[in-house]
Amino acid sequence: ETGVTQTPRHLVMGMTNKKSLKCEQHLGHNAMYWYKQSAKKPLELMFVYSLEERVENNSVPSRFSPECPNSSHLFLHLHTLQPEDSALYLCASSPTGRTNTGELFFGEGSRLTVL
Amino acid sequence: AQSVAQPEDQVNVAEGNPLTVKCTYSVSGNPYLFWYVQYPNRGLQFLLKYITGDNLVKGSYGFEAEFNKSQTSFHLKKPSALVSDSALYFCAVRGFGNQGGKLIFGQGTELSVKP
Repeated sequence: ETGVTQTPRHLVMGMTNKKSLKCEQHLGHNAMYWYKQSAKKPLELMFVYSLEERVENNSVPSRFSPECPNSSHLFLHLHTLQPEDSALYLCASSPTGRTNTGELFFGEGSRLTVL
Repeated sequence: AQSVAQPEDQVNVAEGNPLTVKCTYSVSGNPYLFWYVQYPNRGLQFLLKYITGDNLVKGSYGFEAEFNKSQTSFHLKKPSALVSDSALYFCAVRGFGNQGGKLIFGQGTELSVKP
């Protein structure tokens, strides 16, 4: 139990589907992150939310749409994805302010396969 | 540019032997350094961190890491490897300036421990 829960753990979708990944953290953190992890590639930071405001969007295609309704929940809405979007999507959270050493707390990931 | 390098894609060790996973960093300020481990189809788990103080940091599962400022290194070590230590290991450094507060990850090192 990491304190960061991601659902679903596995998702298979067609290129025309619309689906969402969900992340929930129970650690009282104010920042949440989406990372993409593809085989043989470094971790890619996709989005960062701090105090529910998006503070970073690393040139991610618009077919990925994040939503952060409150500091405990983070969504990644997916639509018209491509097969190359198949990857492990990791959610993470961290505190903000003076207590922030940069340490991230990760969920178990959502394994996405786009057919 | 601020960065982390893990020069070995893969490290192979026999069970019971000592292991070292290498990491070097480049950062503009005093480094905050981290090691994470990832088991197959799982999220990243925190192992240990260096913020300040003693250069030898002890972490989870018997791992330790030594901060060496002159060599800008933070190598991960364990005196006696276990087969269950086989996993993907990531080194990370907290960024400064326009990367402030965010973790910069290395590309990962696959550790394989054989019986």
